[in-house]
Amino acid sequence: DVKVTQSSRYLVKRTGEKVFLECVQDMDHENMFWYRQDPGLGLRLIYFSYDVKMKEKGDIPEGYSVSREKKERFSLILESASTNQTSMYLCASSLYRVGNTIYFGEGSWLTVV
Amino acid sequence: QKEVEQNSGPLSVPEGAIASLNCTYSDRGSQSFFWYRQYSGKSPELIMSIYSNGDKEDGRFTAQLNKASQYVSLLIRDSQPSDSATYLCAVMEYGNKLVFGAGTILRVKS
Repeated sequence: DVKVTQSSRYLVKRTGEKVFLECVQDMDHENMFWYRQDPGLGLRLIYFSYDVKMKEKGDIPEGYSVSREKKERFSLILESASTNQTSMYLCASSLYRVGNTIYFGEGSWLTVV
Repeated sequence: QKEVEQNSGPLSVPEGAIASLNCTYSDRGSQSFFWYRQYSGKSPELIMSIYSNGDKEDGRFTAQLNKASQYVSLLIRDSQPSDSATYLCAVMEYGNKLVFGAGTILRVKS
């Protein structure tokens, strides 16, 4: 089975803090994604990556950056956390092949106070 | 911007009935479509994928695709209380990215 692991499930951070959300997948997938999910808005894509050291902006990249130094690991960084970044963050991965299934991690609940 | 629209619900059906969930999408060139189920506080899990016009069945689930009408649906037969969840329709666009609808809440009453 595909395993996408988000190391931090629940975090509480203060406004202005730098926040790191880590994601690791064990299936040698090329593609990795970060989404956030808010009530009534569904899942929105923040950033994605096709390969090591590659990254592309999704629909809502403002206030976020990412890092992919190894194929299996994709990190989401909030440079200066704000209260409007309180949300559930979902990491996902897939093979590069078009139409391939995307698998999600268990999610990270971030509260910024 | 490419959009995926779903009725937010909640859709309430009695146990044993057929639940019908609908989704429309804006990008006529889309080729891959997915239904995910999400329980409260959990991450989405894939139920069905469909790529060709027509019906695709998997157990109690049937996905239906009509590309001409830009319409995808999910039928759940013999609905069970354990089917109560939010169902997310997703359309794959360039780069293997998924665009999601906001989800439909399904409640199955025993």
